[in-house]
Amino acid sequence: QQQVKQSPQSLIVQKGGISIINCAYENTAFDYFPWYQQFPGKGPALLIAIRPDVSEKKEGRFTISFNKSAKQFSLHIMDSQPGDSATYFCAASKEGSQGNLIFGKGTKLSVKP
Amino acid sequence: DAGVIQSPRHEVTEMGQEVTLRCKPISGHNSLFWYRQTMMRGLELLIYFNNNVPIDDSGMPEDRFSAKMPNASFSTLKIQPSEPRDSAVYFCASRGTGELFFGEGSRLTVL
Repeated sequence: QQQVKQSPQSLIVQKGGISIINCAYENTAFDYFPWYQQFPGKGPALLIAIRPDVSEKKEGRFTISFNKSAKQFSLHIMDSQPGDSATYFCAASKEGSQGNLIFGKGTKLSVKP
Repeated sequence: DAGVIQSPRHEVTEMGQEVTLRCKPISGHNSLFWYRQTMMRGLELLIYFNNNVPIDDSGMPEDRFSAKMPNASFSTLKIQPSEPRDSAVYFCASRGTGELFFGEGSRLTVL
């Protein structure tokens, strides 16, 4: 049973555009929602994370929007750059950042110059 | 800190052979995780340790897989015998009181 569903599987965006990746979860006990960024040949690295007591968190060009009632959260990348081309994973866990992460299947983002 | 260190980075072996993947977590981290990444299934948690003790191995595919953590600075994931369907990238990750840090992975190809 897939507890975190991520879409789209792949995304192509022009430089300067907005990239949007969506995730939906099933378990209402989840209380920590991070996004990881993975470059080819590297391990995933934490990009940004949110807890359900806020609806939005912004760090530079990256924003997480969180909709608790819909059990959905999304990553927005503003002014997308070719260097943002990577695979992005959403994840969720119980017990905050100390819980075990359940990952979505990933979105491969390509930003065209 | 050097981060999570995994070896080998690449392994090509033949079906039936034993494979051992190694991981050195970040010093001071008390939790260690083994993940498997494939195109079809994404990132799957295989097993995790807390203070060197296996806590949850429900993600280990079958008895051919085993993991050990003899001390706080070393862990192994062993596959015996290996099969072509085990081909994947295996990641080790460690955590202290904050975020999860991943190694660069071990790419396993079983012919």
